[in-house]
Amino acid sequence: NAGVTQTPKFRVLKTGQSMTLLCAQDMNHEYMYWYRQDPGMGLRLIHYSVGEGTTAKGEVPDGYNVSRLKKQNFLLGLESAAPSQTSVYFCASSQTRARTQYFGPGTRLLVL
Amino acid sequence: KQEVTQIPAALSVPEGENLVLNCSFTDSAIYNLQWFRQDPGKGLTSLLLIQSSQREQTSGRLNASLDKSSGRSTLYIAASQPGDSATYLCAAPEETSGSRLTFGEGTQLTVNP
Repeated sequence: NAGVTQTPKFRVLKTGQSMTLLCAQDMNHEYMYWYRQDPGMGLRLIHYSVGEGTTAKGEVPDGYNVSRLKKQNFLLGLESAAPSQTSVYFCASSQTRARTQYFGPGTRLLVL
Repeated sequence: KQEVTQIPAALSVPEGENLVLNCSFTDSAIYNLQWFRQDPGKGLTSLLLIQSSQREQTSGRLNASLDKSSGRSTLYIAASQPGDSATYLCAAPEETSGSRLTFGEGTQLTVNP
């Protein structure tokens, strides 16, 4: 039981490049979330999903897109990376909104 | 909009001391509150989840309390150890959205041997 895993662990992009971050969970959780963590800003929700095939905007969704084609996977896409998207990205999942959120180890992204 | 504040931002204590971390939130219509631990360069680990119907939740040396009426939660750590050194974050849900958590910026705890 791996819990929540994230791929890749670290990535460097040039401004304007695109990439996809993958989150996978093996706990059969309905809810999945993408956060970014920045110094002085704390953790902020980018997008989330309440079930397979659903997505919703969080606090800071601009510049990101997501997809939840399979229940166990939640993808975060950056279509045209900007330096402001340099951050640590965390994925999390939970069985319901009222249950504990389990976090992945994070992806460090540097946009030059 | 839910706002979560944690005081102090940093705390340094000698090993063996009992300590209290504070969390306050603005929207008291919450269904639960969660406490997490984050080690440097790592993800968050859930410590305790308190449902709105509970006043306390305990796990080992950790005890979390919740007072919805005053918009406050505390995390009590007994007999602190150097291995407790980490950043502790509390998170409260946005009641209107139902699914979103708002996180405090955390308290960075250092326990000195």
